[in-house]
Amino acid sequence: AQSVTQLGSHVSVSEGALVLLRCNYSSSVPPYLFWYVQYPNQGLQLLLKYTTGATLVKGINGFEAEFKKSETSFHLTKPSAHMSDAAEYFCAVISGYSTLTFGKGTMLLVSP
Amino acid sequence: KAGVTQTPRYLIKTRGQQVTLSCSPISGHRSVSWYQQTPGQGLQFLFEYFSETQRNKGNFPGRFSGRQFSNSRSEMNVSTLELGDSALYLCASSSQAGPQETQYFGPGTRLLVL
Repeated sequence: AQSVTQLGSHVSVSEGALVLLRCNYSSSVPPYLFWYVQYPNQGLQLLLKYTTGATLVKGINGFEAEFKKSETSFHLTKPSAHMSDAAEYFCAVISGYSTLTFGKGTMLLVSP
Repeated sequence: KAGVTQTPRYLIKTRGQQVTLSCSPISGHRSVSWYQQTPGQGLQFLFEYFSETQRNKGNFPGRFSGRQFSNSRSEMNVSTLELGDSALYLCASSSQAGPQETQYFGPGTRLLVL
């Protein structure tokens, strides 16, 4: 079985501040992990993914995430928030031959 | 390359009716998955098709069904609509089936059941 927990349904930051969105997963086998972003009235866009290899993964728009097996975490970070980063972010896990399981999402609010 | 397209983008139906949603994957992609997104339940997996065969099915009642055609286009059907079926239905495609494949999402079809 697999599951994802995203801590915080809403995160507020100021423009230029560090963005940290938390994701913890549960998986009985080595997982593949994903972060997606969803802008209003749009589908999901892949930010980055971890499959194997390097645990620090760089994605689009300056985002990165680090896979920490010991902590079962895959937190998403960006050094400096931009107004255009305001959106909803979803962490997802897939393991074995199962299907994508998503977290509940975290809405990122960026204030000027 | 064109992205995943979904039609229609918006639908209004009444309880008891049925609805068919369509998804055209990225050219060359053979795997299509469907998800339901609601404020209360979040994103939930409906089913996955690969080469016209259903590979996986989520925990939804039999009123929800789907199929995939030889050109990889997919449709999902919901019969006897209920108010709780109001949601954004998202389709995603990938080149192959398998956990390592990246799924590319369409813009979704927003269904409102009155």
